[in-house]
Formats: sequence, C-alpha cells, structure tokens
Amino acid sequence: GAVVSQHPSWVICKSGTSVKIECRSLDFQATTMFWYRQFPKQSLMLMATSNEGSKATYEQGVEKDKFLINHASLTLSTLTVTSAHPEDSSFYICSATRFAGRSYNEQFFGPGTRLTVL
Amino acid sequence: GENVEQHPSTLSVQEGDSAVIKCTYSDSASNYFPWYKQELGKRPQLIIDIRSNVGEKKDQRIAVTLNKTAKHFSLHITETQPEDSAVYFCAAKDRSGGYQKVTFGTGTKLQVIP
Repeated sequence: GAVVSQHPSWVICKSGTSVKIECRSLDFQATTMFWYRQFPKQSLMLMATSNEGSKATYEQGVEKDKFLINHASLTLSTLTVTSAHPEDSSFYICSATRFAGRSYNEQFFGPGTRLTVL
Repeated sequence: GENVEQHPSTLSVQEGDSAVIKCTYSDSASNYFPWYKQELGKRPQLIIDIRSNVGEKKDQRIAVTLNKTAKHFSLHITETQPEDSAVYFCAAKDRSGGYQKVTFGTGTKLQVIP
C-alpha cells in the first residue's frame, strides 16, 4: 500500500503557458501533501504544504500566485505553474503523509514530473 | 525552521567497504529522522528512519545512529554493493508552523566502485 502517483511524468511547454501537475494518493487518504522542486544535482526543496480543504502554506521565497496549489480532496492535490518561464524548468515531486495516529507520519513520494519550459 | 547539513557531498568507496554519511540538524524539537535513497530521475525511497527516543537502529547492512545532545545523526552502510550507488538524503521532521514537514539535507552522491 501507500502508493502516490503523479501526472504527467514529463511535460514540455512554451514560455508563458500554464501547466498543471496532479498528485494522487491511490490507496490511502493523505492528511497532508507536500510539493517539492528539485534542480539537477540538488536536494529537494519544499515549496508548499497542502492540507485538504484549506489554503496551502508556502515556503519563503515561493510565489503563491505563480505556483497555485489546490487540495480538493484527501487523495488529490494539484500544482499549477502559471505563466511558466525557462527558469521554472525542474523536477517537481509531491509527497503525501498518511495519518497514523502518532507524530511520525511517513512521507510517500510520487514519481515526479519533469517540466521543461521552452 | 529546521536546517539540516549533510556531509560529504560525494563519496566513493570500493565494493565491500563501508560508507558513512553524517548530518546535523538545528531544531532540538525535531524527533524523526528519515534517510532516503534517490536514483537518477526517480523518486526518493525511504531506506531507514530513526526516532528521537532511540540512539541506534539497524536493518541488515544499513544502520543509523542518533546523538540528540549533539544534534547529529549518521547513516552507515556496510559491505557496500554497486547497487548502493545513488544519492542519499538525510532529513529531519520539522514541526514549525504547526505543520509536520520534513527538511532535507543537501544530499550525498555515493559511488560504489566494483
């Protein structure tokens, strides 16, 4: 169990367009989902924390109007990169935590989405 | 918030030797420390974790130690194999702002030379 999927796995778009990435927990209800960005040879940088039914909490330096997050249900969160630019090209990874009645909730990662903005 | 530092950034070992990766964290309230293995272009995979109420945990060739006083924890891989080659990330659970988020270290690229 505890499978997280992401769609699409890769996307190429033109500069100025918007791209939506979906993150789904397939066999569990995710209390919280996280969105990360990873540049080549670098670590995962948390962009925002998303809780179902409430506004996402963005990390410092992440523009909430550019990276729109919607957590519509306990199994789906979406990240929309608006007006994408080449510098937004990156590997975007989501993760989901499953409530286990204690504070050590394991994170399950999606397979990632490779975004290339031309 | 939490700050996690990781060393070394790259590590090359001969097959069969041991590899050690060290991390330090800043928030004394952090109580959960997972380690992830990430192969190129793939998702991070949890390989072992340790909670603040224990000092050491072992799973076959992998072990993790935690020193809460010094706020550092280490990953030990014994009898390394070529398939251990990957990037390893340490992390610490950060509960700042009421959300339990994980802060990652900068990563260690491990190369096991056959």
